[in-house]
Amino acid sequence: AIQLTQSPSSLSASVGDRVTIACRASQGISSALAWFQQKPGKAPKLLIYDASTLESAVPSRFSGSGSGTDFTLTISSLQPEDFATYYCQQFNSYPLTFGGGTKVEIK
Amino acid sequence: EVQLAESGGGLLQPGGSLRLSCAASGFTFSSYAMSWVRQAPGKGPEWVSAISASGGSTVYVDSVKGRFTISRDNSKNTLYLQMNSLRVEDTAVYYCAKFPYGAKRYFDYWGQGTLVTVSS
Repeated sequence: AIQLTQSPSSLSASVGDRVTIACRASQGISSALAWFQQKPGKAPKLLIYDASTLESAVPSRFSGSGSGTDFTLTISSLQPEDFATYYCQQFNSYPLTFGGGTKVEIK
Repeated sequence: EVQLAESGGGLLQPGGSLRLSCAASGFTFSSYAMSWVRQAPGKGPEWVSAISASGGSTVYVDSVKGRFTISRDNSKNTLYLQMNSLRVEDTAVYYCAKFPYGAKRYFDYWGQGTLVTVSS
């Protein structure tokens, strides 16, 4: 199974900060990576797929990059509603797998 | 509007069985592959199983193979997960999730989840 390692596991940031979250795959997955946002008690919400394609209605402050084994989710200017946990997911092959998550907290 | 509504969760003892359902609406259910994803308390999501649009092809994570069965009834717009020989480690919120049209296997819509608790 392809393992996804996210870093950091948590971070503290202020409104307006630029935030970057990394996701590393244990083997190459081309661009078959998605990013999700999850708030407490809610289902994950798709933000980005194909490593860099923004899902419809997702704010443009979110962006994704990378291919192969190294990927990044960037929030250009953190907003109050962005405090949440973020997960990457690979869909290159079964079993589909998720990263361990990055919790973004208020500084 | 795409809606996915899970039901059937509950509290049961190890070794027990349960069937989860997911009622789908707002899209042509029979045209989309579907999946179940679970999330144990305080943990990240874990993909469990997927089924093709027709129901003719299924796949499972190793930890549930031989115990769980995914199925669908396209006439009822409903996805199912039959869970047998349940273990304490199966305790989780179970989400029904939709794949986008085509071959890509990320989750574009999720239900609200149903809690399954396995405890003696």
